[in-house]
Amino acid sequence: GDSVTQMEGPVTLSEEAFLTINCTYTATGYPSLFWYVQYPGEGLQLLLKATKADDKGSNKGFEATYRKETTSFHLEKGSVQVSDSAVYFCALSERNYGGATNKLIFGTGTLLAVQP
Amino acid sequence: DVKVTQSSRYLVKRTGEKVFLECVQDMDHENMFWYRQDPGLGLRLIYFSYDVKMKEKGDIPEGYSVSREKKERFSLILESASTNQTSMYLCASGERDTQYFGPGTRLTVL
Repeated sequence: GDSVTQMEGPVTLSEEAFLTINCTYTATGYPSLFWYVQYPGEGLQLLLKATKADDKGSNKGFEATYRKETTSFHLEKGSVQVSDSAVYFCALSERNYGGATNKLIFGTGTLLAVQP
Repeated sequence: DVKVTQSSRYLVKRTGEKVFLECVQDMDHENMFWYRQDPGLGLRLIYFSYDVKMKEKGDIPEGYSVSREKKERFSLILESASTNQTSMYLCASGERDTQYFGPGTRLTVL
């Protein structure tokens, strides 16, 4: 079945460092891809999404490009802040052409800790 | 903005109790979901619903049931709580392929 693999954490960076969190996927169809962020003690928030190959999702300085040839959707940010400390989840939406609900498949999450 | 609310942020129950977790969304979404989140396991889908009174099992439905009597409300029921159901429970609603999450309920079963 479909699956998502993301890099193990924790990732510890100093403020203003460059961030990459790797995410690769396995899917039989053409899924939509997502990054969600979970701040301490809160639920998940949608960070960005991409729905087809070569699409770039972006939000709050974060970017990710849908790479069909490498089945990847790596999250990047040029300069992280302490407030970016959170758990980041990569996910894909199973494409269901029958009109039923699209389920999300999540990676296990990557904890990012940014130090001042 | 989409708003998904959950009835409690923290809940402590005893083994064998019947537990109700409530979720309400205000965006008229057809689809609603219940997940549990455990360290090292990520999010796992318990049940979902794509319409009122409709439900589908997710990946780990054992020990749980759900109810969706109104479009905006989706309830998760633990018929007889057990200690291995201690977890963070997350509700989500959405349309097409995007889901929006509530703040979560951290349930402890003693």
